[in-house]
Amino acid sequence: GAVVSQHPSRVICKSGTSVKIECRSLDFQATTMFWYRQFPKQSLMLMATSNEGSKATYEQGVEKDKFLINHASLTLSTLTVTSAHPEDSSFYICSARWWDTSYNEQFFGPGTRLTVL
Amino acid sequence: DAKTTQPTSMDCAEGRAANLPCNHSTISGNEYVYWYRQIHSQGPQYIIHGLKNNETNEMASLIITEDRKSSTLILPHATLRDTAVYYCIVRGGFMYSGGGADGLTFGKGTHLIIQP
Repeated sequence: GAVVSQHPSRVICKSGTSVKIECRSLDFQATTMFWYRQFPKQSLMLMATSNEGSKATYEQGVEKDKFLINHASLTLSTLTVTSAHPEDSSFYICSARWWDTSYNEQFFGPGTRLTVL
Repeated sequence: DAKTTQPTSMDCAEGRAANLPCNHSTISGNEYVYWYRQIHSQGPQYIIHGLKNNETNEMASLIITEDRKSSTLILPHATLRDTAVYYCIVRGGFMYSGGGADGLTFGKGTHLIIQP
């Protein structure tokens, strides 16, 4: 159980275009989903926290107008990178929290590799 | 969140037990120790967590010292597929996060290399 999927797994786009990444919890309801970013040879960095039905909370230094997050249902959150530039090229990973656990246990998706040309 | 310290890298022979240490000397009473691992180019995988008692599941065992200032993750029979970066994270449990869930803060972790 506790499977999280992401789509697409890999995307290449031109500079200036927008890219949408989907994160789905397949077998559980996730009231909270998280978005992380990982640059080569670095650790994961939390970008934002997404609660179903409310606005996302962004970490300091993450532009909310550039990284649009929508969490419209208990099983789906989307991250849209608007007007992408080469410096946005990274590995984007989502995670979801099982709503009925009493622990801060998170289940991660497989990640999306974004390359902006 | 309490800071954790892990060795940068470790080697272990295939079939042997891999013991990964983690220091968390500033851990507070309501903080849990979580372990995740990340295989190259994949999302992190939850392994185990504990508060003060030793824990075991199908993947690993977690030994927490009595003073809770350090812990050891044990993979009992390491295989080549266990080669990954292992992250030790100290964090409050959900009920201690104001009712909301907080994102995880990943350090540099330990790169465990299983040798054939």
